[in-house]
Amino acid sequence: NAGVTQTPKFQVLKTGQSMTLQCAQDMNHEYMSWYRQDPGMGLRLIHYSVGAGITDQGEVPNGYNVSRSTTEDFPLRLLSAAPSQTSVYFCASSYSERGAYEQYFGPGTRLTVT
Amino acid sequence: GENVEQHPSTLSVQEGDSAVIKCTYSDSASNYFPWYKQELGKRPQLIIDIRSNVGEKKDQRIAVTLNKTAKHFSLHITETQPEDSAVYFCAASISFGNEKLTFGTGTRLTIIP
Repeated sequence: NAGVTQTPKFQVLKTGQSMTLQCAQDMNHEYMSWYRQDPGMGLRLIHYSVGAGITDQGEVPNGYNVSRSTTEDFPLRLLSAAPSQTSVYFCASSYSERGAYEQYFGPGTRLTVT
Repeated sequence: GENVEQHPSTLSVQEGDSAVIKCTYSDSASNYFPWYKQELGKRPQLIIDIRSNVGEKKDQRIAVTLNKTAKHFSLHITETQPEDSAVYFCAASISFGNEKLTFGTGTRLTIIP
């Protein structure tokens, strides 16, 4: 299993540009989430999904869109990049079986908006 | 929504000593409390977790305690080693699949050889 994969690893955008951060998992996990990590602020939830076709907003959803057309993929779209979106983005997936609830994180995408 | 506070933000301990990191949460409905370790430039990795029906859990040198009444939980690392140096995050969740973790702001732990 590759686990949770994210592409790209690094990205530089200009203000106003749009892009999609890719996230995929091959563990057949029901739940997937996107977090952003900023210095001194821990990880904050952007959007999450409890299954294909179902998404919802987290703590900091403004400026981001998501979709979940398949169990495996959960892309994050930046509609019009702003310098405030400079951050490290982590995708995560999890399952709930027999009392196990571990959330697995991808390697992250470091995004810089100039 | 849930709010998780974590203290201290930085902690330095001598190798071999114990380290304790504390977190408090606001939502009494939270029922799952994981701890993550993040090394520089790496992804967060789960090191231990506890559910609300358990007061304490131990795994070798690390342990977590939970006080539901006071709404706080703590990470204890004994016999610290240089490889324990990292940033540690606590988190809380009220969701069944833990797709909605609320994280603390992290503790940078430095082990002094």
